[in-house]
Amino acid sequence: SQTIHQWPATLVQPVGSPLSLECTVEGTSNPNLYWYRQAAGRGLQLLFYSVGIGQISSEVPQNLSASRPQDRQFILSSKKLLLSDSGFYLCAWSAGYSYNSPLHFGNGTRLTVT
Amino acid sequence: QQQVKQSPQSLIVQKGGISIINCAYENTAFDYFPWYQQFPGKGPALLIAIRPDVSEKKEGRFTISFNKSAKQFSLHIMDSQPGDSATYFCAASRQAGTALIFGKGTTLSVSS
Repeated sequence: SQTIHQWPATLVQPVGSPLSLECTVEGTSNPNLYWYRQAAGRGLQLLFYSVGIGQISSEVPQNLSASRPQDRQFILSSKKLLLSDSGFYLCAWSAGYSYNSPLHFGNGTRLTVT
Repeated sequence: QQQVKQSPQSLIVQKGGISIINCAYENTAFDYFPWYQQFPGKGPALLIAIRPDVSEKKEGRFTISFNKSAKQFSLHIMDSQPGDSATYFCAASRQAGTALIFGKGTTLSVSS
């Protein structure tokens, strides 16, 4: 069966520090991968998605970036965190483009920028 | 521009009652409408989904009603239980398996 892993589960970082959040998917190949951010009262905001290695699409201009160095690995990064980067970051994957391939979410990383 | 509008923001229902959450969308190109359930500290999990060529889909106590002409869809939870207390998100996308646009969520509390 397929599983998705995100780490760390929680993270407290000072303003101006770098960030690296990692997401890996097991049990499938060539998944579509997504990064979402969840802020209180604002739902889930799509940040990046990837349909293949090295292919990244950005939905929201900001100081975050994403990379996909391997087929089942998706990394969210920042060179300098802002207070506004605090939130709950969720990675998701889907197997394809059919109704039998919904988005599956990981359990997220709670990021607090102080 | 918010493409999926969800209401209410919060909902309190008695045990055994019916919970109803509504969503409206703007983009007529949307072709896939799922509902996700999220418990505190966890990622959202798919609850039920519907395609626009179907007006209703039922899975156990959960039913999606879909009105294509009004561009609205809703989630009905029958015989609501305390274990249903969670945040519910509606979403839409142009194609299943592609990036979802989410509503802002509804926090449901079922009182015993």
